[in-house]
Amino acid sequence: AIQMTQSPSSLSASVGDRVTITCRASQGIRSDLGWYQQKPGRPPKLLIFAASSLQTGVPSRFSGSGSGTHFTLTISSLQPEDFATYYCLQDYNYPFTFGPGTKVDIK
Amino acid sequence: EEQLLESGGTLAQPGGSLRLSCAGSGFTFRNYDMSWVRQAPGKGLEWVSAISGSGGRTHYADSVKGRFTISRDNPENTLYLQMNNLRVEDTAVYYCAKRENQYDSRGYPTEKWYFDLWGRGTLVSVSS
Repeated sequence: AIQMTQSPSSLSASVGDRVTITCRASQGIRSDLGWYQQKPGRPPKLLIFAASSLQTGVPSRFSGSGSGTHFTLTISSLQPEDFATYYCLQDYNYPFTFGPGTKVDIK
Repeated sequence: EEQLLESGGTLAQPGGSLRLSCAGSGFTFRNYDMSWVRQAPGKGLEWVSAISGSGGRTHYADSVKGRFTISRDNPENTLYLQMNNLRVEDTAVYYCAKRENQYDSRGYPTEKWYFDLWGRGTLVSVSS
């Protein structure tokens, strides 16, 4: 199975900060990667698919980039509603695998 | 409005069995691959299993292979997860998710896939 790693595992940031989260795959996965946001007690919410495509309705401050084994999620200006945990998911082949998550909290 | 609603989660004993259900509405259920994803208390997300729209292809995480079986009843718009030989480490909230494919302006699939619809989850607790 493809292993996914994320860094950092957590970060503290302030409203207005630029935040970057990295996800790495143990082998090449083309651009078959999504980013999901999860808040406590809620299901995951899709932000980015195919590495860089913004899901309809998601604010443009979210962006994704990368291909192969290295991917990034960037929040250009952190808003109060963005404090959450972020997961990457490879859907290049089965079994699909999530990264361990990055918790973004308030500094 | 598209919706997924899971049910069937409860307290079960180690070695026991449980069947989860996920009812879909607001979309043509048979046209979509579906997955189960779980989250143990305080832990991250773990993809568990997937099934094609027709039900002809299934996939499993190594952690559940041989113990869990995914299936679907398309006329009833329902997805299932049969969980046998349960272990304490199967304790989790189980989500079902619909896998969508992006279509271009001409209506052709782009092979860009994503999970766009999730249920609210059902809690399975395995304990003696």
